[in-house]
Amino acid sequence: DSQMTQSPSSLSASVGDTVTITCRASQSISTFLNWYQQKPGKAPSLLIFAAASLQSGVPSRFRGSGSGTNFTLTISSLQPEDFATYYCQQSYRTPFFGPGTKVEIK
Amino acid sequence: QAQLVQSGADVKKPGASVKVSCKASGYTFRDYHLHWVRQAPGQGLEYMGWLNPNNGATGFAQKFQGRVTMTRDTSISTAYMDLSSLRSDDTAVYYCAAARWGLYVMDVWGQGTPVAVSS
Repeated sequence: DSQMTQSPSSLSASVGDTVTITCRASQSISTFLNWYQQKPGKAPSLLIFAAASLQSGVPSRFRGSGSGTNFTLTISSLQPEDFATYYCQQSYRTPFFGPGTKVEIK
Repeated sequence: QAQLVQSGADVKKPGASVKVSCKASGYTFRDYHLHWVRQAPGQGLEYMGWLNPNNGATGFAQKFQGRVTMTRDTSISTAYMDLSSLRSDDTAVYYCAAARWGLYVMDVWGQGTPVAVSS
């Protein structure tokens, strides 16, 4: 099964910034990669599936890309409601999650 | 609107078992796999396993094999996760999630059920 790593583990950014989070799989998973957002005390919510498809209702400032073993989540023009923890998850086989990236306000 | 509503918080002693329920509404329960994910305090998301509500088939992450059971009652659109031989490190929030965009793409989540294991 493919294990997932994410970098950075945390980052500080300001409203309006563009941030990029990287996710790597230990073996190729094609585009079987999803991204979730989790706010404190809340359940995760699906942002992007199949590496680059935006879930219905998710703002277009969220963009996913990548294939194989390297993936990125880019958030353009960061908004106050985007400060949260982001997890990647492979859906190729057993759906392991990455360790998460916490996006904090600078 | 698709929704999953879970049972309430629970406190258990070490060695006991816990059963968490997850009731689906707003979509056809039998059509989509149901997954269980947990999150220990201050930690990340940990995948536990899946249930096919249509035929009752299950699959578990290796860590939980032998200790977890996943069942369902289709007459009330409810799934259950039973974890036995509880230890203190099983203290976590347990989530159910439905995968409607792919086998493992979890697009509908329950609100979470906190389970504390303490003597």
